[in-house]
Amino acid sequence: GEDVEQSLFLSVREGDSSVINCTYTDSSSTYLYWYKQEPGAGLQLLTYIFSNMDMKQDQRLTVLLNKKDKHLSLRIADTQTGDSAIYFCAESTHQKVTFGTGTKLQVIP
Amino acid sequence: NAGVTQTPKFRVLKTGQSMTLLCAQDMNHEYMYWYRQDPGMGLRLIHYSVGEGTTAKGEVPDGYNVSRLKKQNFLLGLESAAPSQTSVYFCASSRTLSGANVLTFGAGSRLTVL
Repeated sequence: GEDVEQSLFLSVREGDSSVINCTYTDSSSTYLYWYKQEPGAGLQLLTYIFSNMDMKQDQRLTVLLNKKDKHLSLRIADTQTGDSAIYFCAESTHQKVTFGTGTKLQVIP
Repeated sequence: NAGVTQTPKFRVLKTGQSMTLLCAQDMNHEYMYWYRQDPGMGLRLIHYSVGEGTTAKGEVPDGYNVSRLKKQNFLLGLESAAPSQTSVYFCASSRTLSGANVLTFGAGSRLTVL
């Protein structure tokens, strides 16, 4: 079955870049996603990438996909305190969307 | 525009009691999902629906039932609650965006089973 794994915690200083990593097992995944969850709220989509792409950039966010190694990363440039949240990687095959364990990003002022 | 609304937001049950969580979406989305979120385990899919009148099992369906009688509503039922079902439950609905399956989440329902 599908399995999506992330490290649980990342701490960075304000202004630095953050890199959150994710590995997945389903080679038939068509799209991969990054969602953000702020305290007490549901998840919100940040960005997504089609499986035949290597990279996608959206303002401060850069997504890198290594399909051979089934590795996805999210880079946040110039990390701000407002970026503190839990970040979830997810993959979809048809209608099912499988989420990772989430990485809690702590931004130190 | 409300998006995805979950009710209730909080509930405390005793072991063996039953309850239903209601999810309503006003975006005319075909797909709807129920996930549970537990510390260190991320979101796990309980059940999902690809259209009115259809449901399918996800990763952790045992102890839960669902119904999708109307397109805009997706109900999650616990027939006999157990302490292991203490969790935060999230409903989501989705649309496709250039082929991607983009989920819109509700704010969550926190359930405690004593």
